[in-house]
Amino acid sequence: DVKVTQSSRYLVKRTGEKVFLECVQDMDHENMFWYRQDPGLGLRLIYFSYDVKMKEKGDIPEGYSVSREKKERFSLILESASTNQTSMYLCASSLFNPGLSYNEQFFGPGTRLTVL
Amino acid sequence: QQPVQSPQAVILREGEDAVINCSSSKALYSVHWYRQKHGEAPVFLMILLKGGEQKGHEKISASFNEKKQQSSLYLTASQLSYSGTYFCGKNTGNQFYFGTGTSLTVIP
Repeated sequence: DVKVTQSSRYLVKRTGEKVFLECVQDMDHENMFWYRQDPGLGLRLIYFSYDVKMKEKGDIPEGYSVSREKKERFSLILESASTNQTSMYLCASSLFNPGLSYNEQFFGPGTRLTVL
Repeated sequence: QQPVQSPQAVILREGEDAVINCSSSKALYSVHWYRQKHGEAPVFLMILLKGGEQKGHEKISASFNEKKQQSSLYLTASQLSYSGTYFCGKNTGNQFYFGTGTSLTVIP
């Protein structure tokens, strides 16, 4: 069974803290994504990566950075957490298909981050 | 850049039909549809490619009109298990955007 796992289901941090969210997939997928989900705004892409050490900015990259040192692992970093980063964070992965650009995405269970 | 979905929310009785629309201001290469049940991760339903191709999944089907830059999801004879939030996702070639979501509730 395909699997995307995220390091925590719930996380509470203080303003100004550095926060790491980890995502691991076991499907040997090339593409990995980080989204945040807020009520009424749907899923918004923060960053994605199409290969090890490669990254592209999504729609809302400000205040975030990412790291992909190994194919199976994609980390989201909040350098200095702020209250407006309180949200549900979802990681996803997909196979690369040259003819399709974006293939079916498999999602992790999400991390609900609260910044106080 | 986010595709716009309508309606934002819909309540149905079991057995009724529903249509969810997804429109984009930019040309689409493909459209994805996902469903997210409460407290769970989104799950892929289908991809629609250029050429007006229609795909189906159980009693859920969809269409893609690339000229109008629109896709519609058709839920026929809805079941309680169809409840959830439906997202369309658009592929513009080098970027991917999800829509704002449509909350669908099926009641007995």
